[in-house]
Amino acid sequence: DAGVIQSPRHEVTEMGQEVTLRCKPISGHDYLFWYRQTMMRGLELLIYFNNNVPIDDSGMPEDRFSAKMPNASFSTLKIQPSEPRDSAVYFCASSWGTSYNSPLHFGNGTRLTVT
Amino acid sequence: ILNVEQSPQSLHVQEGDSTNFTCSFPSSNFYALHWYRWETAKSPEALFVMTLNGDEKKKGRISATLNTKEGYSYLYIKGSQPEDSATYLCAPSPGNQFYFGTGTSLTVIP
Repeated sequence: DAGVIQSPRHEVTEMGQEVTLRCKPISGHDYLFWYRQTMMRGLELLIYFNNNVPIDDSGMPEDRFSAKMPNASFSTLKIQPSEPRDSAVYFCASSWGTSYNSPLHFGNGTRLTVT
Repeated sequence: ILNVEQSPQSLHVQEGDSTNFTCSFPSSNFYALHWYRWETAKSPEALFVMTLNGDEKKKGRISATLNTKEGYSYLYIKGSQPEDSATYLCAPSPGNQFYFGTGTSLTVIP
């Protein structure tokens, strides 16, 4: 199993540009999570999906952020327009069941720099 | 959003020392708690999934206990080794989402 795959690994963009981060969860995992890591707040939950349906997006900072999961093997996190304060490492994670019995499997993250 | 506190923030120990860290969380609406190990330049990896009050889990030299009534969990490392150097994160879950603490950064000095 290849694990959770995120792309790109690094993204450098200018303020105002659209950024799209991609994630392929582990096959058979029903839950997918997007997290953002910052020095100040650590790992923050942005949104999670169950069976491709967004369940809780209360962590999405503002309307500039959107996430989709068009099928069981692909999810995107989009920022439009991007701002310097969005600079962070974004992690995707998947799990096969609920938190009661299934740990998260993390991708390697996308380091986003907005100048 | 849950208020999760981990202490200490960082810790330096000598090789061979035993150590422990604390994770505190709201005891209401508890569903599960996970511990993760996060090495520099890698992704977090799961150590334990804990659900029941009084749970005790062990993996090699690392063990964890859980008290859901008072809202805390301890992680213990016996005989620390340099390869144990990492950040240890706890993530209580009131449902299916996880809320991570900021972690305890452990450095084991050879």
